[in-house]
Amino acid sequence: AQSVTQPDIHITVSEGASLELRCNYSYGATPYLFWYVQSPGQGLQLLLKYFSGDTLVQGIKGFEAEFKRSQSSFNLRKPSVHWSDAAEYFCAVGANQAGTALIFGKGTTLSVSS
Amino acid sequence: DAGVIQSPRHEVTEMGQEVTLRCKPISGHNSLFWYRQTMMRGLELLIYFNNNVPIDDSGMPEDRFSAKMPNASFSTLKIQPSEPRDSAVYFCASSPAQGTTGYTFGSGTRLTVV
Repeated sequence: AQSVTQPDIHITVSEGASLELRCNYSYGATPYLFWYVQSPGQGLQLLLKYFSGDTLVQGIKGFEAEFKRSQSSFNLRKPSVHWSDAAEYFCAVGANQAGTALIFGKGTTLSVSS
Repeated sequence: DAGVIQSPRHEVTEMGQEVTLRCKPISGHNSLFWYRQTMMRGLELLIYFNNNVPIDDSGMPEDRFSAKMPNASFSTLKIQPSEPRDSAVYFCASSPAQGTTGYTFGSGTRLTVV
């Protein structure tokens, strides 16, 4: 079955500390992988995506993610968290074909403490 | 581009009433997706269209839910009759048919059925 697991429901990080949000997927074919961020009351905004090539991808707002095929993981990282990064983060997987549906994880809520 | 436009932003209705949610995708995007977001279930795919044709409606929870896409620039999601358990945020997203840009989400419609 195709699925995305985000093991951490809620994470709290101190401002300026590093961040890693975990994502594991189960997908039968070569996956396309995405991270989205959702601020309260807003829609989802694309942070970054992986299709092929370099397994370390850079995104907006200083985020990066690393695709590890052997571990079926696509973890999101940021070296230094800002208070404005507090939001909900979603990992998603889809087929390597445009016009197909994405499967989303349940999300991880990030709180940033001062 | 104005992005994906959803209306209304908020809807409060009484149980048993018909509810219609609207979505205008980004011009030139050929795929349109309807998702429902709740605390319990996260983001669930309800239905998606490619070139105005419904491709997968297996996520539509019941016959009370229906969706149409009469043309490339407009889609509706209708619930008739509505029930309190339909209360959720409903998102519309669109993507191009070609390429690998991922989805663009609308801001969502928060539906409350009392």
